[in-house]
Amino acid sequence: DAGVTQSPTHLIKTRGQQVTLRCSPKSGHDTVSWYQQALGQGPQFIFQYYEEEERQRGNFPDRFSGHQFPNYSSELNVNALLLGDSALYLCASSLGHSAERYTFGSGTRLTVV
Amino acid sequence: EDQVTQSPEALRLQEGESSSLNCSYTVSGLRGLFWYRQDPGKGPEFLFTLYSAGEEKEKERLKATLTKKESFLHITAPKPEDSATYLCAVRFTGGGNKLTFGTGTQLKVEL
Repeated sequence: DAGVTQSPTHLIKTRGQQVTLRCSPKSGHDTVSWYQQALGQGPQFIFQYYEEEERQRGNFPDRFSGHQFPNYSSELNVNALLLGDSALYLCASSLGHSAERYTFGSGTRLTVV
Repeated sequence: EDQVTQSPEALRLQEGESSSLNCSYTVSGLRGLFWYRQDPGKGPEFLFTLYSAGEEKEKERLKATLTKKESFLHITAPKPEDSATYLCAVRFTGGGNKLTFGTGTQLKVEL
């Protein structure tokens, strides 16, 4: 049973560029949440998608946007990259948007130079 | 301001040396306190959820407890494979479904 799959695992981008990160949720899960984890910090909530709509958003600028597809997979897009966007981006899936248990992927390590 | 604070930041134990990690929270209306384990280069792995003061949950060498102000993760007779970062997170009234994480405790268990 495949868990949460994220791609790519690593990537390097230049300031000002745009990036798209992808997430396939665990089989049977219908909700995807995205978190940003800076080095040495805990994950910070970006947004949550359920039924193809953004249901909740954290304290992140509009440069961060997302999408959920009918098969429940999701994308995170970041425009106009800043050096401070360098972090591990984690996708978490769950069954239902207020589930007790989230399953996290291994993340995408984004480095902005 | 809703906040989650974990201590210590780092902890080094000898194999078999029991200890506790602390997670204190200042949130208005706790709707759940979560413990996760995170290995280097990996995503967090779910351990426990606690909902009300006095609640306890156990899994192998780990035991989580909850009071009105804080939670403890007790590690009994740890082994080197317990080495990881342990993250605490809360869900609270007015916070929707998001988890608010602390910065974690980095645990190293040595032979």
